[in-house]
Amino acid sequence: QKEVEQDPGPLSVPEGAIVSLNCTYSNSAFQYFMWYRQYSRKGPELLMYTYSSGNKEDGRFTAQVDKSSKYISLFIRDSQPSDSATYLCAMKVDDKAAGNKLTFGGGTRVLVKP
Amino acid sequence: DGGITQSPKYLFRKEGQNVTLSCEQNLNHDAMYWYRQDPGQGLRLIYYSQIVNDFQKGDIAEGYSVSREKKESFPLTVTSAQKNPTAFYLCASSIVARGGPYNEQFFGPGTRLTVL
Repeated sequence: QKEVEQDPGPLSVPEGAIVSLNCTYSNSAFQYFMWYRQYSRKGPELLMYTYSSGNKEDGRFTAQVDKSSKYISLFIRDSQPSDSATYLCAMKVDDKAAGNKLTFGGGTRVLVKP
Repeated sequence: DGGITQSPKYLFRKEGQNVTLSCEQNLNHDAMYWYRQDPGQGLRLIYYSQIVNDFQKGDIAEGYSVSREKKESFPLTVTSAQKNPTAFYLCASSIVARGGPYNEQFFGPGTRLTVL
């Protein structure tokens, strides 16, 4: 079983809809939770970063962390065709020995249709 | 422009050959990383380096080698010992993180390696 599980999709939604993405994980030591966006044949770019549990909002994006359920979510409101990409969750433990090492989910491909 | 460059964008290799992927950054970051991405498997860490002349194995280091002779450069060699090298390779860099808060990793555009 992978440490971080993510539905590969594709997730297809009409323009303007809410996109809901999630990851589950097994390592309770994860404390830092990231969402990256990756366009086709490009490198990932950081979208959101959350520490421990709770919600974080940035424009049309909301990240939620539920550590009791080992479940994180990303919501994209008013989705646009430009949001079509693969979304990767990533996690990190709060441990000096681990440095800046991340554990990634497999990514969910999202298609927003005009 | 500050950023990370990777070359070449596409690389073809015959079985049994070693190839070296280039990664250069001008962000003045101390830490650099190499990841491999396969369809549906996300990114897996191959090697990372937090300082010049020092590097550590990641989760899938077998069949790969790296060097870190300069702060700006972190080349990855895919050796003939790597059994399934066809993949998308991503290089990243960050400020040094010796535990505690996450320090954002900035990614290059990637190199797609295909073994013929």
